[in-house]
Amino acid sequence: AQSVSQHNHHVILSEAASLELGCNYSYGGTVNLFWYVQYPGQHLQLLLKYFSGDPLVKGIKGFEAEFIKSKFSFNLRKPSVQWSDTAEYFCAVNAPYGNNRLAFGKGNQVVVIP
Amino acid sequence: DADVTQTPRNRITKTGKRIMLECSQTKGHDRMYWYRQDPGLGLRLIYYSFDVKDINKGEISDGYSVSRQAQAKFSLSLESAIPNQTALYFCATSRRDEQFFGPGTRLTVL
Repeated sequence: AQSVSQHNHHVILSEAASLELGCNYSYGGTVNLFWYVQYPGQHLQLLLKYFSGDPLVKGIKGFEAEFIKSKFSFNLRKPSVQWSDTAEYFCAVNAPYGNNRLAFGKGNQVVVIP
Repeated sequence: DADVTQTPRNRITKTGKRIMLECSQTKGHDRMYWYRQDPGLGLRLIYYSFDVKDINKGEISDGYSVSRQAQAKFSLSLESAIPNQTALYFCATSRRDEQFFGPGTRLTVL
């Protein structure tokens, strides 16, 4: 079964700072990778996803993520955050040819100070 | 207009009560899922269903049961609620790999 690790559960930063959230997974086969965002009081929304092709994926709201297969990583980045990026961010992985279950990391709570 | 809806959105109940959480979707997806979210633990899968006749246990199915009444409906029941089942519960659907989440049900068991 795959597992997903996210470090630094709480991140506090100022507006215009750069953000990088790490995600590592443990699964040796082909994977699909996702970042979901949960704004305060709201449900999870897809930020971006990687299935195949260019390992640098661009998502909504200026976010991007890079898949590095050799490091089993899918880190999320944003060059300049805004107050509205305050949210919880979840990395998720599934094995497309397995039972298709998503495994989630424990999340990163990001607070952006104006 | 929401594609995945959950009822109720909030519920407070007492220990020992039977509770049902309902999920409906208009996306036409075959696959449906129930997760619970706890602070610092992320989302954990309770049950999932790939079609009406297919029900599977997830990571934490003890104390829960489900019913897939139709392609569009997937209900989660707590047979006898206990306080450590206090959590935010999410329903999700998918056709293939991307999952779409409902707004969540906040359940408090006193």
